Amino acid sequence: TQLLEQSPQFLSIQEGENLTVYCNSSSVFSSLQWYRQEPGEGPVLLVTVVTGGEVKKLKRLTFQFGDARKDSSLHITAAQPGDTGLYLCAGKDYTGANSKLTFGKGITLSVRP
Amino acid sequence: GAGVSQTPSNKVTEKGKYVELRCDPISGHTALYWYRQSLGQGPEFLIYFQGTGAADDSGLPNDRFFAVRPEGSVSTLKIQRTERGDSAVYLCASSLTSGYPQETQYFGPGTRLLVL
Repeated sequence: TQLLEQSPQFLSIQEGENLTVYCNSSSVFSSLQWYRQEPGEGPVLLVTVVTGGEVKKLKRLTFQFGDARKDSSLHITAAQPGDTGLYLCAGKDYTGANSKLTFGKGITLSVRP
Repeated sequence: GAGVSQTPSNKVTEKGKYVELRCDPISGHTALYWYRQSLGQGPEFLIYFQGTGAADDSGLPNDRFFAVRPEGSVSTLKIQRTERGDSAVYLCASSLTSGYPQETQYFGPGTRLLVL
């Protein structure tokens, strides 16, 4: 069974601070995705990383895929209250034959004004 | 354009009853997925359809759960003899294709099921 561990589980910070959160696994994934989920809504895709060592930027968010394709990090610069939400990472099976996503438990981020 | 829609948005039922949850995927998407999200957890895979057929149903917890997609578009998740432990948000997602690392799954808002 492939497992994704996300840390920290909860994070409360002040507006303007920087933060980094992590998604780790003992398994290799063909790709890893980060989602954000608001209360009462489904997850919304933020980014997909495919190549080991890949770095992608989305405005103030920087995503990195580990060289071994087993882990990822999300760094937010100058966090804003609008960044508040549940951040989920999800891996796709390395063989590519199975399209299901394996999700971590998520990181609940609260950014205080 | 319209996203993935799910009905009902909320469902309250009694233990032992039968429920059906519906998912309307994005038009033209051939792949459809069902996930279940319990409180404080990430979504957990249930079943995946490619067209009309269930390509992977390994996540269905037991034989009380069944899903269909008869015309390759709308899907229905059916739960028989509901139990309190079935209470969760049931999420549906669709994608244009499947099997590619970069594939994007688009999620609906979910159906919140509460079994009393």
